[in-house]
Amino acid sequence: DTAVSQTPKYLVTQMGNDKSIKCEQNLGHDTMYWYKQDSKKFLKIMFSYNNKELIINETVPNRFSPKSPDKAHLNLHINSLELGDSAVYFCASSLARGTIGTYNEQFFGPGTRLTVL
Amino acid sequence: KQEVTQIPAALSVPEGENLVLNCSFTDSAIYNLQWFRQDPGKGLTSLLLIQSSQREQTSGRLNASLDKSSGRSTLYIAASQPGDSATYLCAVSKDRGSTLGRLYFGRGTQLTVWP
Repeated sequence: DTAVSQTPKYLVTQMGNDKSIKCEQNLGHDTMYWYKQDSKKFLKIMFSYNNKELIINETVPNRFSPKSPDKAHLNLHINSLELGDSAVYFCASSLARGTIGTYNEQFFGPGTRLTVL
Repeated sequence: KQEVTQIPAALSVPEGENLVLNCSFTDSAIYNLQWFRQDPGKGLTSLLLIQSSQREQTSGRLNASLDKSSGRSTLYIAASQPGDSATYLCAVSKDRGSTLGRLYFGRGTQLTVWP
């Protein structure tokens, strides 16, 4: 029943490790996003994919690499984790604007809390 | 660059009060505005979405208004309940460029409703 799901919910790892976060949506949306919420609770977009194509790539270190195997999935791989990567990462999805009858309302997953030690 | 500001940052009220949460944005060229609720340790729940051509949206005890030209939105909560306690986030999406749906978030209003 979950519309946007993420795994894992919690991720604790050592500095320098490589980790992945998975996201899946069953809403039939064609656009997916990754957002980062920092320790001060501020949400900022990282990436956006539309129909498996990268649309938005904010100023994010190259260590972060999104992968979209299909429209329903957008995974986030992080190499060489650093202390500053500790945050909550949210996946979201929507139908692209411009399509008749859609309004680009975004639906968010429950978040993945990443802690780098 | 779009900047979104929410006032107040925190609000604590007794149950039953009617509330107004404010959101302002610097660039009026928006596509839509979305209000979210975030409970501690949880994800974001979409409450209301207002298209740039609309003036307001209502859902139950919630009413959101949009004045695009002045760059403002308000979220009105009627007859507040303890279950309304959460952080309320305002976000706008851009109207121009190939930025498909990028949301710019405010820092939120943390609401506490006590019995």
